[in-house]
Amino acid sequence: NAGVMQNPRHLVRRRGQEARLRCSPMKGHSHVYWYRQLPEEGLKFMVYLQKENIIDESGMPKERFSAEFPKEGPSILRIQQVVRGDSAAYFCASSPDGELFFGEGSRLTVL
Amino acid sequence: RKEVEQDPGPFNVPEGATVAFNCTYSNSASQSFFWYRQDCRKEPKLLMSVYSSGNEDGRFTAQLNRASQYISLLIRDSKLSDSATYLCVVNAPRKLIFGQGTELSVKP
Repeated sequence: NAGVMQNPRHLVRRRGQEARLRCSPMKGHSHVYWYRQLPEEGLKFMVYLQKENIIDESGMPKERFSAEFPKEGPSILRIQQVVRGDSAAYFCASSPDGELFFGEGSRLTVL
Repeated sequence: RKEVEQDPGPFNVPEGATVAFNCTYSNSASQSFFWYRQDCRKEPKLLMSVYSSGNEDGRFTAQLNRASQYISLLIRDSKLSDSATYLCVVNAPRKLIFGQGTELSVKP
């Protein structure tokens, strides 16, 4: 049973480009969470999704960031017009109900 | 006040030492509590859940004090392999909130 799969593991973008991070939850898990970890900081909640629904996006920056979890396919975290401050590790987690199982993360570097 | 606050680190201890981590949370309605471990900023992994009556898993003991909104983790007979960042985690509606983490370094 594969764990939470995230790709790409590492992504380099120039300022102003778009970043797309993908997350496939564990089989049977219908809840997906995205967290961001800035350098030298803790994990910050961004968004909680179920299939085709955003349940809680209270941690998402108001602009440039969006997330989806379509009926088919992985969850996608999209960052438009990236800035240097977006450089971070983005972790996806899935849950059957309660405990979170994390993917290995996607490390975004903005030049 | 932060939703979840932990002891600032790092903790540098010799092998075999006992070390305790503390954590406070602000939401009195929280019902679920966990300790996660993160190695070298890789993905966090669940170390143990924290139950009201306290619970033990080998060298690790977790305690919860709901009245004081306080959680602790005790590691006995620490090993080199215990070196990591320990994250206190508390549930909020529709999400889990992570503390900043406390770094532990166990030295030979």
